[in-house]
Amino acid sequence: GAGVSQSPSNKVTEKGKDVELRCDPISGHTALYWYRQSLGQGLEFLIYFQGNSAPDKSGLPSDRFSAERTGGSVSTLTIQRTQQEDSAVYLCASSTGPSGGIYEQYFGPGTRLTVT
Amino acid sequence: TQLLEQSPQFLSIQEGENLTVYCNSSSVFSSLQWYRQEPGEGPVLLVTVVTGGEVKKLKRLTFQFGDARKDSSLHITAAQPGDTGLYLCAVFVQGAQKLVFGQGTRLTINP
Repeated sequence: GAGVSQSPSNKVTEKGKDVELRCDPISGHTALYWYRQSLGQGLEFLIYFQGNSAPDKSGLPSDRFSAERTGGSVSTLTIQRTQQEDSAVYLCASSTGPSGGIYEQYFGPGTRLTVT
Repeated sequence: TQLLEQSPQFLSIQEGENLTVYCNSSSVFSSLQWYRQEPGEGPVLLVTVVTGGEVKKLKRLTFQFGDARKDSSLHITAAQPGDTGLYLCAVFVQGAQKLVFGQGTRLTINP
């Protein structure tokens, strides 16, 4: 079946512009995660959705970042007034939730964001 | 301070050689996962280890969870160019509902 898809695959934007990144999880997966991967910071967690709800937004790097999920499916990560330090690969993952205490997350290919 | 410390960060070896990469922590975990990531793709789960001392094999890859469940190793026998990639260990922090990753080992197998 179809895996996690993300769009766009690449985005180049000018500093100060807003960007919207999209994630389509695997059908039926109730949990959705956003991560950011950069050379200096490795792979870091941003936010988690269970259904449409994000219980904890403290992983978002600043108040310029926001995320939403609608219909328990598609999620968008929005970055306002982009800065050069926002340049990274943004990865989305989805999961059915724990099975026997083990959480298996399936990752999309990521969106490579470059802020010039 | 990183929760998971991976070593080495970079490794370049010849096809046919053996190698081991390590994932260490001072914390105890209920389980630990290994992922492989290739350029332009997201990480793909290779294995989850759960029991202290557990050994799991995936073809030429052998994964071990330390007896105290604080560390893990990945051993590759007779490495192939197709093994090239970024290897990441990760643990799931249940309270925060997130995976925490090590910095990764970037492995290059030269033909």
